[in-house]
Amino acid sequence: TAGITQAPTSQILAAGRSMTLRCTQDMRHNAMYWYRQDLGLGLRLIHYSNTAGTTGKGEVPDGYSVSRANTDDFPLTLASAVPSQTSVYFCASSDSGGDSGANVLTFGAGSRLTVL
Amino acid sequence: GQNIDQPTEMTATEGAIVQINCTYQTSGFNGLFWYQQHAGEAPTFLSYNVLDGLEEKGRFSSFLSRSKGYSYLLLKELQMKDSASYLCAVLDSNYQLIWGAGTKLIIKP
Repeated sequence: TAGITQAPTSQILAAGRSMTLRCTQDMRHNAMYWYRQDLGLGLRLIHYSNTAGTTGKGEVPDGYSVSRANTDDFPLTLASAVPSQTSVYFCASSDSGGDSGANVLTFGAGSRLTVL
Repeated sequence: GQNIDQPTEMTATEGAIVQINCTYQTSGFNGLFWYQQHAGEAPTFLSYNVLDGLEEKGRFSSFLSRSKGYSYLLLKELQMKDSASYLCAVLDSNYQLIWGAGTKLIIKP
C-alpha cells in the first residue's frame, strides 16, 4: 500500500539518550514534514523539507535535527532527549511544498515517544 | 499572534447533523483545510476551501467566510464511524499551516 511508513511505532527513551525516528514515503512527493502532537494543542511543525537536499525549521525545531538525502527518506533525530519531547510524532508528505495552496498532506501512522 | 479556535468536544446522535465551527486569526490566508483523525491514527484530508462558500462532498460539507475568518464542517446522516477528532488548519501568508487543537466528536446511538 502506497504511503508513509514510520518507525518505531512507539519507544520509551531515557533522558539524555539519542533517538532517530524514521520516515519513508513511496509516493515520490517533493515535500516532507515532521510534526508533534500534544494533548490540547494543534499539530506543531518541527522541521520540513520542500525538496531533496533542502531542509527548514518549523515552529518548534529546538532539540531536533533532520536530513533529506533523497526523495523518500526524512529521518528526525533527537540528539539528547528531554522529558518535554514526550509526544506523538507524525511524518507527512505532500506533492508540492512552499508556495502552493492546495497542499494536501498525507500522514504516517505516528511514532509515540516517551522520554523518562 | 496567529490563532485557530475550535470547540474542544461535541456530542451528537447517530443519524443527525452536526456543525463544527472554526474561527481563525492569521497573518494572511491561502486556504483552509479540514482533516479527520480517529483516535490513535493519522489525520486524513477531508476538504479544502480557498474561496467563500460551501463545498459539498458526500455527507460532508465545508463552508468558508474569509471576511469573518470563519469556517464550519457540516456532517450529515451521522454514523458511529464519524466519531473522531476534526482538525481545522489555515495556510497563512507564508504558506505555513497553522493548526487548531481539534474538535473531538462523540456520536451516541
